[in-house]
Amino acid sequence: DVVLTQTPPTLSATIGQSVSISCRSSQSLLHSNGNTYLHWLLQRPGQSPQLLIYLVSRLESGVPNRFSGSGSGTDFTLKISGVEAEDLGVYYCVQGTHAPTFGGGTKLELK
Amino acid sequence: EVLLQQSGAELVRPGSSVKISCKASGYTFTDYYMHWVKQRPEQGLVWIGRINPANGNTVYAEKFKSKATLTADKSSNTAYMQLSSLTSEDTATYFCTWGGFAYWGQGTLVTVSS
Repeated sequence: DVVLTQTPPTLSATIGQSVSISCRSSQSLLHSNGNTYLHWLLQRPGQSPQLLIYLVSRLESGVPNRFSGSGSGTDFTLKISGVEAEDLGVYYCVQGTHAPTFGGGTKLELK
Repeated sequence: EVLLQQSGAELVRPGSSVKISCKASGYTFTDYYMHWVKQRPEQGLVWIGRINPANGNTVYAEKFKSKATLTADKSSNTAYMQLSSLTSEDTATYFCTWGGFAYWGQGTLVTVSS
């Protein structure tokens, strides 16, 4: 199985602060078709996860552009440029290049 | 609008089975795989498996091969997951998700207790 390692496990931020979350894969996520199936999800307390970023860097419809994704191969990053209160929750990376697996999650909380 | 409506919470006895449903609307049911995901209380997300609603082909994560059975009914746009030989380790919220994880059901809480 592909292992996705997210860091940090917990992130404390103030409103307006910019933060980054890392997701490292035990194998390359570049598919033979040229796509990299690495996505980012946010799960707010008591809610289902929602898709923020797909295919590494593409912003899902309706998601604010303070969210951005980057990376390639085995190293990926989610950046939030100016945290807002509604961004609090647990962030997960998920890969679909191989049999899907999720990262362990990063909990974003207010400092 | 894509909507995935899951069946309600279940309280089941150890050793029994449970079947939960995920009814899809607002899109062509057979366009994408339907995935199922497990989340134990206060823990992360774990992929269980996926089904191709067009032909019923399934792929399971290794640890769920003898635990979960995925099916789909094209006539009613509904996906199902049956969990067998339930133990306390199966107490969790189970989600269906479609469209490359773009759309999620509201989750079904399964509680295994005597």
